[in-house]
Amino acid sequence: AQSVTQLGSHVSVSEGALVLLRCNYSSSVPPYLFWYVQYPNQGLQLLLKYTSAATLVKGINGFEAEFKKSETSFHLTKPSAHMSDAAEYFCAVSDMGDAGNMLTFGGGTRLMVKP
Amino acid sequence: KAGVTQTPRYLIKTRGQQVTLSCSPISGHRSVSWYQQTPGQGLQFLFEYFSETQRNKGNFPGRFSGRQFSNSRSEMNVSTLELGDSALYLCASMSTSGDNEQFFGPGTRLTVL
Repeated sequence: AQSVTQLGSHVSVSEGALVLLRCNYSSSVPPYLFWYVQYPNQGLQLLLKYTSAATLVKGINGFEAEFKKSETSFHLTKPSAHMSDAAEYFCAVSDMGDAGNMLTFGGGTRLMVKP
Repeated sequence: KAGVTQTPRYLIKTRGQQVTLSCSPISGHRSVSWYQQTPGQGLQFLFEYFSETQRNKGNFPGRFSGRQFSNSRSEMNVSTLELGDSALYLCASMSTSGDNEQFFGPGTRLTVL
């Protein structure tokens, strides 16, 4: 069974500071990994995805994540936080198998950006 | 290309009633998945439909069911509503390009009184 752990349900940073949101996963097969962002009263928007092509993945809005197999991690970073980055972020994993597609999500991290 | 649409956006029901939610996927997408989001349990997978067949099912009671039509539109039904069914229900569609990227709709907010 797959699982995802996001360390820190709430993270607070100052505007302009580095954003680091942590995600660790467990999977018995090579995984696809995703980061999604959710703004209030909205659905999930894909930030970036890892599909085995490159370990450093660049996404939208200046976010990037690095896949580290040895650490089973896929942490999300952004060099400089903006006020508009305040939202909830979800890490998710799915199998690369053919037996359907199911995302397993972490518990989410709410990012707060202080002026 | 239009995104995933879900109707209605908001719904209020009472315990014991049943409800049907609708999802229209992105044009050309044949896979539709449903997720339940609650503050206590987070995001949980309900089921996935592909070409009108349920391909995957999460760990939810039989009161939760779904179907998919030949045009890939999907509905989910919850019978005998309980207070704990209050949640945001998200639908996601996926292409068959092989990278498992799912595109989410805005969700239907269900409140059970």
